[in-house]
Amino acid sequence: SQKIEQNSEALNIQEGKTATLTCNYTNYSPAYLQWYRQDPGRGPVFLLLIRENEKEKRKERLKVTFDTTLKQSLFHITASQPADSATYLCALRALTGGGNKLTFGTGTQLKVEL
Amino acid sequence: DAGVTQSPTHLIKTRGQQVTLRCSPKSGHDTVSWYQQALGQGPQFIFQYYEEEERQRGNFPDRFSGHQFPNYSSELNVNALLLGDSALYLCASSLLGEGPGEQYFGPGTRLTVT
Repeated sequence: SQKIEQNSEALNIQEGKTATLTCNYTNYSPAYLQWYRQDPGRGPVFLLLIRENEKEKRKERLKVTFDTTLKQSLFHITASQPADSATYLCALRALTGGGNKLTFGTGTQLKVEL
Repeated sequence: DAGVTQSPTHLIKTRGQQVTLRCSPKSGHDTVSWYQQALGQGPQFIFQYYEEEERQRGNFPDRFSGHQFPNYSSELNVNALLLGDSALYLCASSLLGEGPGEQYFGPGTRLTVT
């Protein structure tokens, strides 16, 4: 069955360091991989997406890589700040089924400490 | 430009009751998806509506039904509520098509079943 795995343990890093979050998937052929941020009690907020034929994408302090051979995406936040503390979700979209549903991982909680 | 709105914010129901949740999509979007998010989990896809029809459905029983109106707003109905239906219900809007389909989420409705 399709499975998306994110590190369930919280990631604690110091302010100014680079945070790296991992998303691994199996039995899936995504056309797009997306990353969302979710704060407690709020809906997810879209951050960045990468297409299956792209290796890397950047947006300000964010960088996403996508390796379809390893079936893995890495999400980097450089020069992290306490305001970056949140849960980060990866989501996959395939081009089948006639819709654009997303399949989400369980998320990784990031805590940036002073 | 109003984003995705949902109502109500919180709801408490008793087992066996029925509930209706409402969603208005982001301006310009034609597709509404509903997700269920249990505590500590990623959002799980319930179903998606486009042109007033259900286009995709996740692994949820028939107790979960929906509707999309001509103005693209949507309702999620859950019958015969179970304790396990307690969760954050998220509505997301997007544009259908072969594009990446990034989704814009509302703040969610917190449903508690007692």
